[in-house]
Amino acid sequence: QKEVEQDPGPLSVPEGAIVSLNCTYSNSAFQYFMWYRQYSRKGPELLMYTYSSGNKEDGRFTAQVDKSSKYISLFIRDSQPSDSATYLCAMSGGSNYKLTFGKGTLLTVNP
Amino acid sequence: SQTIHQWPATLVQPVGSPLSLECTVEGTSNPNLYWYRQAAGRGLQLLFYSVGIGQISSEVPQNLSASRPQDRQFILSSKKLLLSDSGFYLCAWSRGGSSYNEQFFGPGTRLTVL
Repeated sequence: QKEVEQDPGPLSVPEGAIVSLNCTYSNSAFQYFMWYRQYSRKGPELLMYTYSSGNKEDGRFTAQVDKSSKYISLFIRDSQPSDSATYLCAMSGGSNYKLTFGKGTLLTVNP
Repeated sequence: SQTIHQWPATLVQPVGSPLSLECTVEGTSNPNLYWYRQAAGRGLQLLFYSVGIGQISSEVPQNLSASRPQDRQFILSSKKLLLSDSGFYLCAWSRGGSSYNEQFFGPGTRLTVL
């Protein structure tokens, strides 16, 4: 079993839709959870950072962590064509300097 | 504010040639530094990380090496490139110490080995 599983998509939605992106993980030591957005041919950009279980909201984005199910989600409300990108989840146990990444989900928002 | 630079942005090299990619970070001190490779369909692969000058940890045995000659400078090198070295190389930094987990990425270098 891979440490982090992420559906690669592609996911195609109409503008204005609510998007749900998800990752599951197997390592119960993970405590810190991140979502990155990567536009084509660019470096990943940190979008959301959460610690432990619960929700965190930032504008149209909500990150959700359920440690009991080892499941994290990123919700995008009122999706825009500019949200079209690959979204990568990442997580860490906190003490070894390293992140474990999902392979990314390619999202296209159609105008 | 902190800024991370990588160059060159694009590189085409013949098999067997040497490689040197450079990464510098501005606006912070004693950062942790990372080199990743991203190949299509394979996600981000951590190659090296460094917690201080001259301190390099290798994650994947290969014909690449890394050096950190200055606090905010990280270099990825190879003596002889292979076709399989083609990919998108990303440098990243995080705040010094192990308590900070967020990593911030540079713009990347796209390497094609022919």
